[in-house]
Parts: sequence; C-alpha cells; structure tokens
Amino acid sequence: DSGVTQTPKHLITATGQRVTLRCSPRSGDLSVYWYQQSLDQGLQFLIQYYNGEERAKGNILERFSAQQFPDLHSELNLSSLELGDSALYFCASSDHRGQFFGPGTRLTVL
Amino acid sequence: AQKITQTQPGMFVQEKEAVTLDCTYDTSDQSYGLFWYKQPSSGEMIFLIYQGSYDEQNATEGRYSLNFQKARKSANLVISASQLGDSAMYFCAMRPRDTGGFKTIFGAGTRLFVKA
Repeated sequence: DSGVTQTPKHLITATGQRVTLRCSPRSGDLSVYWYQQSLDQGLQFLIQYYNGEERAKGNILERFSAQQFPDLHSELNLSSLELGDSALYFCASSDHRGQFFGPGTRLTVL
Repeated sequence: AQKITQTQPGMFVQEKEAVTLDCTYDTSDQSYGLFWYKQPSSGEMIFLIYQGSYDEQNATEGRYSLNFQKARKSANLVISASQLGDSAMYFCAMRPRDTGGFKTIFGAGTRLFVKA
C-alpha cells in the first residue's frame, strides 16, 4: 500500500458525460501528480499540483481540469468524454526517492 | 532530450531463477534519480527501487537490485529467485534530482512472465 488513495476504482460512463476522479496523497506529501495510462500511449503526465497551486502541465486536454484543495486532496475533472479517454488514471505523490502511485481509476467510456 | 529505453518488450524466466531487465537512459543532467516500478495485471504501480546518480553503491531492496553503470547510462533491474507473483509489467523511470517530479519520464516497459 503506497498510502495514496484514489476513488472510484472503476468508472463506466457514456460519451459526452463528465466525471470526477479523486485522490488523496500520502500523509505529509504536498504534491499531487495525475497520469493517464492508455494501451497505445503508455504513461502520460497530465498535471501536477503543489500545496494547492498548479506546478506543471503535461499533455492535458482542455476538456480536462484539476484542482488541489486545502486539505491537499485533488480532483481531476474530465468532461465531454470521448471513447479515446478510456484509460487508467493514476494519481501520485512524491518524496526525494520518487513517486508513489495510487491504485488508479479505470475509466471506461462507452 | 531525456529518454528512457527499455529494449525488451517481453521476457520469460523460470521460477527461482534470476532475471535482468534492461534500461538505458539519456540525459545531460549531472544529478538524477532512477526508479523501477512494477505493474501487475491488477493495474497498480508499485515502487520497487531507487538509485541516485551519485550513489556509489548499487541499490538493493530485498530480491531487487539495480545494476547501475553510470558511464554506460544503464540501470538494469535484477530480480533474484523469481516467483510467480513477479509476473508483471516493469517500468524504468528517471527524474532530474532536485526538480519537480513532473519531469519524471518513463520507459515503455518490459512484460515479465515467470514460468512454473
């Protein structure tokens, strides 16, 4: 158990819908990273928050947004969902040794 | 540009034998960290081992060791005494030290199959 929690574990929805993925970092970690892992793209960095502020942006679509709250949990919002958004979405937090990943949310868009 | 290369898409190993998963990297940074992660079929990404570029000793964590050859820019993962539960996807990753984790880059992965 990495100490990073993510909910829900599975999510099935339809095209055009909007979903929210939730993440809580390890106790004491201020950073939250979001990644998307799809079969054909590997692990793609989406966005990072540090202590409530956006720190870095990767390959995140405009239809996606995120935020980190004062209690350091983070939410990733995915809207106008498309079939290609089906993927495993990971949240991670880190210390000097590396990133520790949550169990992931498997999103299926039908 | 920074890059991680894992040249073995798939590997087979007999149970109880040792196996080496290859990883080479490219960076112009002097200070960086190297990592290995395991992803079983259940999907979670499990941190296995970390090696700092200035660490003189190769990192070890239980049955995992990292064969770090800085001049060759390689960071191979060695799993000793393979177990059936080691069957998984393995990712090598690199991050410049003292920078945000967002700069972590991942290799494409190697799928390991352990045979009984």
